[in-house]
Amino acid sequence: EVQLVESGGGLVQPGGSLRLSCAASGFTFSPFWMHWVRQAPGKGLVWVSRITSDGSNTIYADSVQGRFIISRDDAKSTLYLQMNSLRAEDTAMYYCARANYGSRGAGDAFDIWGQGTMVTVSS
Amino acid sequence: SYELTQAPSVSVSPGQTASITCSGDKLGDKYACWYQQKPGQSPVLVIYKNSKRPSGIPERFSGSNSGNTATLTISGTQAMDEADYYCQAWDSSTGVFGGGTKLTVL
Repeated sequence: EVQLVESGGGLVQPGGSLRLSCAASGFTFSPFWMHWVRQAPGKGLVWVSRITSDGSNTIYADSVQGRFIISRDDAKSTLYLQMNSLRAEDTAMYYCARANYGSRGAGDAFDIWGQGTMVTVSS
Repeated sequence: SYELTQAPSVSVSPGQTASITCSGDKLGDKYACWYQQKPGQSPVLVIYKNSKRPSGIPERFSGSNSGNTATLTISGTQAMDEADYYCQAWDSSTGVFGGGTKLTVL
């Protein structure tokens, strides 16, 4: 079964750090660009970050630029999101998602999503 | 920054056609895709590259994109289609989602 399973969420104080993981199974992880998307409680989807298949290129939403780092370990078929200097507004369900159907990003769509891991930033 | 605008809610009677729109500057020059999200569940891709359906998505789901507007059309809407729907596109390699439309089937 093709799936993504996130872990690492939890309660953290403002200014703290957290590392999320996303374990892929059921498909060959390495060729795919991967993304993180978040959703605050009761709110809409917000794109967070993307990493290319070889890990050489990353990009971030302005709201997390300089605080979050996306990375991947193809040997472990795992995607990561290191979150630093966390703020209350980072409270959200974090989803990892596989990009597919496009060509070097253009036309990509998220065809596989994990179940999400909840991050709560509060004192 | 690029923005995609969706109506907060749309209502449709069972068996009728639902149209959910997504507007953005020159959106027709980009690829649009659509996601369905039911309460407590992860999003599901229903349309990619404006009008293509992933495997397993019913034929009643269709899409179009022209000018400044992308449209998701659900023909013969069923009760199971009640959900939030999000459009999404790319702008300078960053992902952009619309605010979402809650589809109510009543």
